[in-house]
Amino acid sequence: GQSLEQPSEVTAVEGAIVQINCTYQTSGFYGLSWYQQHDGGAPTFLSYNALDGLEETGRFSSFLSRSDSYGYLLLQELQMKDSASYFCAPSGGSYIPTFGRGTSLIVHP
Amino acid sequence: DSGVTQTPKHLITATGQRVTLRCSPRSGDLSVYWYQQSLDQGLQFLIQYYNGEERAKGNILERFSAQQFPDLHSELNLSSLELGDSALYFCASSVGFGGRNIQYFGAGTRLSVL
Repeated sequence: GQSLEQPSEVTAVEGAIVQINCTYQTSGFYGLSWYQQHDGGAPTFLSYNALDGLEETGRFSSFLSRSDSYGYLLLQELQMKDSASYFCAPSGGSYIPTFGRGTSLIVHP
Repeated sequence: DSGVTQTPKHLITATGQRVTLRCSPRSGDLSVYWYQQSLDQGLQFLIQYYNGEERAKGNILERFSAQQFPDLHSELNLSSLELGDSALYFCASSVGFGGRNIQYFGAGTRLSVL
């Protein structure tokens, strides 16, 4: 079967570091994507991991452990504009990412 | 701007009616995906087309149908609408469908069924 778990909400202050965890069960797992969605906006691609380890893109990093079916998104030097929903989306054999309800990140001044 | 165009932006209709949502993918993208987003269900995959052919189906109701035309634009048809169909409908496109398959999302169509 398929399952996806990530926290529903995370809060942090400006300038801090926050980690959004994701655990999944996906048949024929291929890779894990992360997307960001601001309120009322469209999801936008952030990162993709197919192999174990850390991928860094500016202030954002994404990590994957295939053996643990686990990944996380790390956001550094948080800014107010980072307040948004973040989706981890594992891809299975069909290569189609499975989204869920996402994690709402609230950044306080 | 993702390059994916969805029309209309808003749609208000009544129960039992039928509507058509339209999507133009980014230039060069062959894959089109449709998603439904509601508060209680999150972002749910409905259906994917690749170069005119249906490639994968998700949680799409029988009352819903879609197609992709030779010019690669796609339409999602929703019929016998119910109150619970009120949601944000997104279209996304990608070059292909394998591996590091980055999806580019349109701005969405907000459907309100009254």
